[in-house]
Amino acid sequence: QITLKESGPTLVKPTQTLTLTCTFSGFSLRSREVGVGWIRQPPGKALEWLALIYWDGEEQYSPSLKSRLTMSKDTSKNQVVLTMTNMDPVDTATYFCAHELYDIMTGFNSFDIWGPGTMVTVSS
Amino acid sequence: EIVLTQSPATMSLSPGERATLSCRASQSVSTFLAWYQHKPGQAPRLLIFGASKRATGIPARFSGSGSGTVFTLTISSLEPDDFAIYYCQQRSNWPITFGQGTRLDIK
Repeated sequence: QITLKESGPTLVKPTQTLTLTCTFSGFSLRSREVGVGWIRQPPGKALEWLALIYWDGEEQYSPSLKSRLTMSKDTSKNQVVLTMTNMDPVDTATYFCAHELYDIMTGFNSFDIWGPGTMVTVSS
Repeated sequence: EIVLTQSPATMSLSPGERATLSCRASQSVSTFLAWYQHKPGQAPRLLIFGASKRATGIPARFSGSGSGTVFTLTISSLEPDDFAIYYCQQRSNWPITFGQGTRLDIK
């Protein structure tokens, strides 16, 4: 059974750096075609994809946030870490991490299992 | 960036009715489109991937169709648990993008 859980601060000040950790179980980031993504949802707004890291170390970032985002993975701890610099009140959101499924039979990718999310508020 | 436009923004229906949700892409995504159900305070749930393939454990009342730029999610007979927000997401091109969502309310 695949599970993921996000952890990190609930409150950060403007200009600070946010560090979120996604701890997962039921799969390994050493396995081919496996990815972990980050998605956020500001209050009352839609889902927004932020970043994705693959088993082979490939990283993809949202172009609008690329300059502020960095991901890393620790396969021995089954964790993925996302850092976002220069936080602003508009970054207030629930942040989700999710397992990306690559369906070998069909060739399609999708976020099949999500963590419960962690709410981050940016305020002085 | 591929923009996904969902319609309607909100729809109010009664249990037992049929719901038809639309997602339109600004350029072709072939069938690299997924649908998610999201309830407040919960993790989003994958319903459909590859435009028409039900994810594991998803009831048969949920179906997806379409290709290219026009997609539909149909819920054949609404159950009380189905009232939520539904998002489409494309996985054809980087960056991954989501639609703005359709809120399905109980009438």
